Amino acid sequence: EVQLLESGGGLVQPGGSLRLSCAASGFTFGSYAVNWVRQAPGKGLEWVSAISGGSGDTTLYADSVKGRFTISRDNSKNTLYLQMNSLRAEDTAVYYCARWIEYYDYWGQGTLVTVSS
Amino acid sequence: QSALTQPRSVSGSPGQSVTISCTGTSSDVGGYYYVSWYQHHPGKAPKLMIYGVSERPSGVPDRFSGSKSGNTASLTISGLQAEDEADYYCCSFPGTYVVFGGGTKLTVL
Repeated sequence: EVQLLESGGGLVQPGGSLRLSCAASGFTFGSYAVNWVRQAPGKGLEWVSAISGGSGDTTLYADSVKGRFTISRDNSKNTLYLQMNSLRAEDTAVYYCARWIEYYDYWGQGTLVTVSS
Repeated sequence: QSALTQPRSVSGSPGQSVTISCTGTSSDVGGYYYVSWYQHHPGKAPKLMIYGVSERPSGVPDRFSGSKSGNTASLTISGLQAEDEADYYCCSFPGTYVVFGGGTKLTVL
């Protein structure tokens, strides 16, 4: 059974940093692209970042996070990461990881990030 | 990377049909076949309902169908059931970014 489990969310002050993790199981993690998608309170889904399968040499970012967030993967640990720096109040959201094959076929349950002083 | 345009809300009675539209541009929805739809119940993980414009994953009832005309994709739900009440999002992948619609809240009356 394919499972994706996010962790690392929490409360952080504006300007601070946080690293999210997404532990994958039930499939050959290294063979798939994976993405981060977020949902701010009362808002819709927003794509954040994507990383290709294999070595992850292709990464993509939404304009809203470019230069502040870094996506990476460790296939030996079946884990996806999102390093978030210079956090802003508008980054407050539930962050989901999702497997991508030109569409999202599996999603995690999400982890909440709150940016507030 | 502008969001695709969806109606904020639609509603229907059990047994009826509803259609949710998703309007983009020739640079996203109109130009590519990577249009997908997701059902999202609050507090749960989103669920894939349609991919490749009109393909239905195994396990999704055939009451759900997708189509596209020009720059507008559509999700039609026939024979509405109470459990269909949720938020629905369209999604397009033009190649260098992913873009979602703003979401449509479906209310089953």
